[in-house]
Amino acid sequence: QQPVQSPQAVILREGEDAVINCSSSKALYSVHWYRQKHGEAPVFLMILLKGGEQKGHDKISASFNEKKQQSSLYLTASQLSYSGTYFCGTEMLPNAGGTSYGKLTFGQGTILTVHP
Amino acid sequence: KAGVTQTPRYLIKTRGQQVTLSCSPISGHRSVSWYQQTPGQGLQFLFEYFSETQRNKGNFPGRFSGRQFSNSRSEMNVSTLELGDSALYLCASSLQGRAEAFFGQGTRLTVV
Repeated sequence: QQPVQSPQAVILREGEDAVINCSSSKALYSVHWYRQKHGEAPVFLMILLKGGEQKGHDKISASFNEKKQQSSLYLTASQLSYSGTYFCGTEMLPNAGGTSYGKLTFGQGTILTVHP
Repeated sequence: KAGVTQTPRYLIKTRGQQVTLSCSPISGHRSVSWYQQTPGQGLQFLFEYFSETQRNKGNFPGRFSGRQFSNSRSEMNVSTLELGDSALYLCASSLQGRAEAFFGQGTRLTVV
């Protein structure tokens, strides 16, 4: 099941903050966040593992609420370079007899545009 | 440390032909996953290989196949190409398939 991202698009001025959410109907082992600029490959931002942790570096951080199976990506004091499409990729807990190794199910993406 | 390398970067093929794409993972990474990205369907998982074994497979027809070599390099093959196979094909490598996954630049396949 594809995770649902919200909002679908965000427009910001430099210096403003944004939150992107990713919700799954399945129990998750991990959530991966990526940013993709037009014509380029997705760039890894961070991974959050089952356990409800929060991570961050620079002005980008994320949290994972295990009870809600929801992750949020926080972008603070946005910069022009933050523009792009943000994807969450979810790795589900393995089913009995199956495996989720190496399989990320991606949301539809959130387009973030930062203006000067 | 070199990143994930995919070749070729661009490819134009005719319907009915077959194509082979290559992916060299980051040194030391043993898991390679393949994804198809299209504007309509987004990023969709094709399959994952670890130590030359396919551990996971997505919902794609049997025309899509892959393999992994002992040096962890992976190839993906699509036979009997259809127009709908036009897409950006991305591979991602990780240490073991349950860790950070890093993408290559992708191969842009156009089927005419």
